[in-house]
Amino acid sequence: NAGVMQNPRHLVRRRGQEARLRCSPVKGHSHVYWYRQLPEEGLKFMVYLQKENIIDESGMPKERFSAEFPKEGPSILRIQQVVRGDSAAYFCASSPGQGGGEKLFFGSGTQLSVL
Amino acid sequence: RKEVEQDPGPFNVPEGATVAFNCTYSNSASQSFFWYRQDCRKEPKLLMSVYSSGNEDGRFTAQLNRASQYISLLIRDSKLSDSATYLCVVNHPGGFKTIFGAGTRLFVKA
Repeated sequence: NAGVMQNPRHLVRRRGQEARLRCSPVKGHSHVYWYRQLPEEGLKFMVYLQKENIIDESGMPKERFSAEFPKEGPSILRIQQVVRGDSAAYFCASSPGQGGGEKLFFGSGTQLSVL
Repeated sequence: RKEVEQDPGPFNVPEGATVAFNCTYSNSASQSFFWYRQDCRKEPKLLMSVYSSGNEDGRFTAQLNRASQYISLLIRDSKLSDSATYLCVVNHPGGFKTIFGAGTRLFVKA
């Protein structure tokens, strides 16, 4: 499967713990996007990264959330000290270019549940 | 005002019906427009791009009205398998910030 791989598919955390979500883009894609989808809502843009650079993080909450896309390895979305309101589906997408009109390839998402 | 707005529905239609969804966007400089489909909170999948001249793909027709800043999707001869949430998607100027609408839910019944 050469598509976008996200893991884990389901993640359960207790309040105050850390959540780490991983995303491996399509091979050869250097652009990664993270989206969050709350129940009964659409996808909300969080952050756009290229290898080793954060290009746009205007959708990221100011505290507790961080993202990286290192030179080697998957992109990581990290949520520190999770709260119940962080429970959502987190989708990662990749594209070969800057995403200006190009198709986004989505992973299957990580469902985060905070107890 | 939301950057991309859609009627959440749900639209309940019988098989064979024609159904249309509209979507409005707030940024007049937006460059690219798409319709995505999402099933049961799985990952969104591209349904079709939307071009200024309008475009058709089988039973699906998409239209863009830049002057009024809205996009439409028309589905003819609805099938049960068309039941899904349809997401209107707009690319910001600069291209890299893709904004999704909240989606319109469609239920096609036998």
